[in-house]
Amino acid sequence: KNEVEQSPQNLTAQEGEFITINCSYSVGISALHWLQQHPGGGIVSLFMLSSGKKKHGRLIATINIQEKHSSLHITASHPRDSAVYICAVRPMRGAQKLVFGQGTRLTINP
Amino acid sequence: NAGVMQNPRHLVRRRGQEARLRCSPMKGHSHVYWYRQLPEEGLKFMVYLQKENIIDESGMPKERFSAEFPKEGPSILRIQQVVRGDSAAYFCASSGGSDTGELFFGEGSRLTVL
Repeated sequence: KNEVEQSPQNLTAQEGEFITINCSYSVGISALHWLQQHPGGGIVSLFMLSSGKKKHGRLIATINIQEKHSSLHITASHPRDSAVYICAVRPMRGAQKLVFGQGTRLTINP
Repeated sequence: NAGVMQNPRHLVRRRGQEARLRCSPMKGHSHVYWYRQLPEEGLKFMVYLQKENIIDESGMPKERFSAEFPKEGPSILRIQQVVRGDSAAYFCASSGGSDTGELFFGEGSRLTVL
């Protein structure tokens, strides 16, 4: 079993829909990252969380440390949001290395 | 105010050749991380370096792979005698330090071994 599990693996939605991507992890962590990767492209860090909730534009990230769970939400989704979204955690031990989920491939149709 | 710079963006090598991938961290950052993304797989940690020191290389294959981050110049990930299974995207990230420092990623170097 992976230390970081994301769901769903693939998600297709219509423009304007509210999107939720989930991440569960099994180890104690010092921080959790949400990353975005476009096809053939680089990786952009969207959020780094250690508690609570963060918002940036149409993106919202939440984390529940007790339940070892985080969600990434996209409001008013747009085709340009189509990308792979990756959850990554910094374990308490060995905190310098990130452990990554497998990613969620999001496709937003116009 | 350049971000993390990786080069080359694309590299093609024949089996048995050497591949050198370079990473210049963001200005002021002294912590560099290398990650590998195999085709259709997730990202995996390879190595964490600070200037002139390898801090954690637990994700590096035992043979043929090495990394350095000299006092001057970029960090280098070196793969000797490449094999087809080394074909992957190699990403570098940098931070200013501390366990909770924000990470900034480069665009990646895509290695293809023929």
